[in-house]
Amino acid sequence: DTAVSQTPKYLVTQMGNDKSIKCEQNLGHDTMYWYKQDSKKFLKIMFSYNNKELIINETVPNRFSPKSPDKAHLNLHINSLELGDSAVYFCASSQVVGTGNHEQYFGPGTRLTVT
Amino acid sequence: AQSVTQLDSQVPVFEEAPVELRCNYSSSVSVYLFWYVQYPNQGLQLLLKYLSGSTLVKGINGFEAEFNKSQTSFHLRKPSVHISDTAEYFCAVSDRSLRAGGGNKLTFGTGTQLKVEL
Repeated sequence: DTAVSQTPKYLVTQMGNDKSIKCEQNLGHDTMYWYKQDSKKFLKIMFSYNNKELIINETVPNRFSPKSPDKAHLNLHINSLELGDSAVYFCASSQVVGTGNHEQYFGPGTRLTVT
Repeated sequence: AQSVTQLDSQVPVFEEAPVELRCNYSSSVSVYLFWYVQYPNQGLQLLLKYLSGSTLVKGINGFEAEFNKSQTSFHLRKPSVHISDTAEYFCAVSDRSLRAGGGNKLTFGTGTQLKVEL
């Protein structure tokens, strides 16, 4: 069973389009994250949700809109895609309350290519 | 604010040789420390973490790391590497204070590509 899954794995689209990436975790965690990994493999957090509530928003353009329909899902919608949005997007989850674990579990990534 | 420095972007090493991947961090608050590994075209997998207690932590696949508070370092070591250890390794920190509602962001270093050769 995949703990954190993302769809699609690859996404190729043209500038100006709108696209979504979906993430699901079956670990029962209370917190989910989106990270962006650029072409130089640098990883940076974009958003974090705890129990469907946005708690971290790291200066991401408002073309990016996360949505959490329930605490097992965190989707990322991107409007008006730009060339610079090309990257690998990773979803992650962790159980923050009650465990003291602090480990984040990552999905396999979605490679977005904007042409 | 936190930052993580991984000075070595690439480390070539022969199989069965020891290896050390360096990580230094900067933070105004106490932090938790992590090493993640990323195999080609895959997500990140936790190797080990330092939360508290003994400064020498052991992880999966024979890796270990030592937290040195005075030098603000968390170097990763393995006494004998295998071809299968070829991957990208990321050092990361998160601050110890939980935000309201939970959720701590990880701040990553730029990664070190470990290439194990025969």
